[in-house]
Amino acid sequence: EAGVTQFPSHSVIEKGQTVTLRCDPISGHDNLYWYRRVMGKEIKFLLHFVKESKQDESGMPNNRFLAERTGGTYSTLKVQPAELEDSGVYFCASSQDSGRVFDEQFFGPGTRLTVL
Amino acid sequence: GQQLNQSPQSMFIQEGEDVSMNCTSSSIFNTWLWYKQDPGEGPVLLIALYKAGELTSNGRLTAQFGITRKDSFLNISASIPSDVGIYFCAGRRNTGGFKTIFGAGTRLFVKA
Repeated sequence: EAGVTQFPSHSVIEKGQTVTLRCDPISGHDNLYWYRRVMGKEIKFLLHFVKESKQDESGMPNNRFLAERTGGTYSTLKVQPAELEDSGVYFCASSQDSGRVFDEQFFGPGTRLTVL
Repeated sequence: GQQLNQSPQSMFIQEGEDVSMNCTSSSIFNTWLWYKQDPGEGPVLLIALYKAGELTSNGRLTAQFGITRKDSFLNISASIPSDVGIYFCAGRRNTGGFKTIFGAGTRLFVKA
């Protein structure tokens, strides 16, 4: 079974440009999460989808970030316009059922975003 | 906001040595998790702890859920070169949508 995949693996853009990151969760996983790790710091929660609905978007930094999950399958995270502080590794994770006591999240390899 | 303090930030050890890392928080968690991230990959779950005082092993790894529910440690015994990577602790509460809070990671270097 394929794991969580993310595209692209790396992206280098200039300040002010737009970038769209994509995440394909494990097939059948209703829950999809976006996280970000700025260099050397903690992995920070951005938001959580249950199917196509945003369950929790409390971690989204500001309105330059837009996440979508149309149809409840893959998700995109768009940054527009990108700023220098947006640089970091963006992880996507998916899990099967958040209603259980413990619902393991499986992480993708991440997209390394560099804003120049 | 919620924060986990993970230490040490990095460790340089010799193959065969034991290593210990820990996480503390000012907040209580219901679940403590330990992940490992290999270069170019995402974090992978190593151990999950559900009860205060719980001690769980996974091969050469041992982790404990602190009695106060505000801390956890991970021990690796007899380290080998493939233990190299970044280890993250994480805490989760049973409310608020199971949001997971991560530490900043411990980068482990193992010299053969």
